[in-house]
Amino acid sequence: DGGITQSPKYLFRKEGQNVTLSCEQNLNHDAMYWYRQDPGQGLRLIYYSQIVNDFQKGDIAEGYSVSREKKESFPLTVTSAQKNPTAFYLCASSIWAGQETQYFGPGTRLLVL
Amino acid sequence: KNEVEQSPQNLTAQEGEFITINCSYSVGISALHWLQQHPGGGIVSLFMLSSGKKKHGRLIATINIQEKHSSLHITASHPRDSAVYICAVGDAGGTSYGKLTFGQGTILTVHP
Repeated sequence: DGGITQSPKYLFRKEGQNVTLSCEQNLNHDAMYWYRQDPGQGLRLIYYSQIVNDFQKGDIAEGYSVSREKKESFPLTVTSAQKNPTAFYLCASSIWAGQETQYFGPGTRLLVL
Repeated sequence: KNEVEQSPQNLTAQEGEFITINCSYSVGISALHWLQQHPGGGIVSLFMLSSGKKKHGRLIATINIQEKHSSLHITASHPRDSAVYICAVGDAGGTSYGKLTFGQGTILTVHP
């Protein structure tokens, strides 16, 4: 079955630690996205990638980094510079980065110890 | 910057009731999306529309471009419809990437 997988489902971060959230898709989509969801707020875009080896900052990129070395993979690293990382992180993909339907992964909940 | 407002924020209904969720936005868009987020967090795309009306099963989405307003209707609601419904709009800018701006979501609870 085609789809998007995210791992882990829950992730715990210690102060000063970098952590990486995995996102993999087998839909053969060119575009991939990372969103952050906080209680009572709409999803906010962290980074997006229109094609392999290319990515762009979204609205809240500070304290995060990404890579897009393979079409199917778009990992997100939450660095120690992100002072309030506790949130629900969602990865999505679409056929291309235009006005297309986005398909979402199940999400990763990041908690700070 | 587009502002997206959904109403109501919370909605409780009895099974079988007709439900309407509203979405308003402030500037012109290229497309509007309705999404459903299940209690576990997963999000499913329900509709993408740029004009008129779309129907899928018991779900109907309408959009009025002139009034900058969209509605999501659920007919014969069922407890399994309980979820968060999210409206998102795509910018009408000239860039190749259609950035989405999301509403804060409407929490729907349907009681048996």
